Amino acid sequence: KAGVTQTPRYLIKTRGQQVTLSCSPISGHRSVSWYQQTPGQGLQFLFEYFSETQRNKGNFPGRFSGRQFSNSRSEMNVSTLELGDSALYLCASSQTSSRSYEQYFGPGTRLTVT
Amino acid sequence: QKEVEQNSGPLSVPEGAIASLNCTYSDRGSQSFFWYRQYSGKSPELIMSIYSNGDKEDGRFTAQLNKASQYVSLLIRDSQPSDSATYLCAVKIWEKLTFGTGTRLTIIP
Repeated sequence: KAGVTQTPRYLIKTRGQQVTLSCSPISGHRSVSWYQQTPGQGLQFLFEYFSETQRNKGNFPGRFSGRQFSNSRSEMNVSTLELGDSALYLCASSQTSSRSYEQYFGPGTRLTVT
Repeated sequence: QKEVEQNSGPLSVPEGAIASLNCTYSDRGSQSFFWYRQYSGKSPELIMSIYSNGDKEDGRFTAQLNKASQYVSLLIRDSQPSDSATYLCAVKIWEKLTFGTGTRLTIIP
């Protein structure tokens, strides 16, 4: 079974621009979560989507948004980029039964804002 | 108090010895606990999950959970240089996974 895929893997943007990142979950997984990872803050939860609905949201500004499509693929958008948005953006998929919450991560998108 | 706390390390362990990684969490209602391994420049990889008090073994890895003490640990037996990585503890709190900041483990040949 194929793992979680993310595109693009690397991205360089300029302050003020916007960016869209894509995530395809493991086949059969309906939940997709997004995280931002930086050396100083570690893994920070952005949001989770399940069946095209945002189910949970972390403490990030409204510039960070996402969506999920009917095939469970998800996109994350960051508008008006700031230097501090430079990070590794990870998505993780899970089956999300009531018992198991095992999340499997994709390889990540390394975003650099200049 | 942080929701999930880990000693950041670095933790240095001789090859062949047992590495012990610890994690505490704040929410008594937490039910699901996970350990991830992250190599430098890579994404986290799930290595263990544990849901009930006690020990769970998988190969050289043993996860231990004590809900009364709000404590979860990971033991790595017969440590190998390939075990050198950052280990992240994750706890399901309020329907989302919350991660600790990770413990950097170095296995010394």
